[in-house]
Amino acid sequence: AQKVTQAQTEISVVEKEDVTLDCVYETRDTTYYLFWYKQPPSGELVFLIRRNSFDEQNEISGRYSWNFQKSTSSFNFTITASQVVDSAVYFCALSESLNAGGTSYGKLTFGQGTILTVHP
Amino acid sequence: NAGVTQTPKFRVLKTGQSMTLLCAQDMNHEYMYWYRQDPGMGLRLIHYSVGEGTTAKGEVPDGYNVSRLKKQNFLLGLESAAPSQTSVYFCASSLIDLTDTQYFGPGTRLTVL
Repeated sequence: AQKVTQAQTEISVVEKEDVTLDCVYETRDTTYYLFWYKQPPSGELVFLIRRNSFDEQNEISGRYSWNFQKSTSSFNFTITASQVVDSAVYFCALSESLNAGGTSYGKLTFGQGTILTVHP
Repeated sequence: NAGVTQTPKFRVLKTGQSMTLLCAQDMNHEYMYWYRQDPGMGLRLIHYSVGEGTTAKGEVPDGYNVSRLKKQNFLLGLESAAPSQTSVYFCASSLIDLTDTQYFGPGTRLTVL
């Protein structure tokens, strides 16, 4: 069974600090997808990134960067120079592409989330 | 382009009452999903739909029913609400299957007394 672990329940930093959110996953499949979502205090879930298991290149988007390492089954998320607006709950998620009876479908599993608080 | 919308935003029910949550998407997505979010447990999939007229069970389907009569709408029903169903409910949609990016609605906070 697939599993996503976000060991950091809560992180507190001061503005302008860099912060890394850890995500470790378990899967027996060779084809899978990893996601990060942000849930700000307003409650909606905002998509941040999708990465497939064959693409191990790290990605940078502004102050956000993601480090995907298949060898350690990790997909960590770093925010550089954090800002108060980054305060949110961040979820890592794993999707596997499965086949049953000729029908392709997927299963998405979320981690428990990391609460990030950025203080001014 | 509103994306994914949910109705209502808040609801309070008494044990045993029934209700329906409505999810609508205007992105012409094939797949739609209902999740519940509980403290410390992340999001768990209740039911999903791979297209108009089809539905399937997710991780925690008991006590819920769904229908997808139109491609753009996905309804979640509680026939006899229980306090254990107090939660925040999120609807999501994706263009293709669960490996694709899912876009979420704003959520519905349901309290069952």
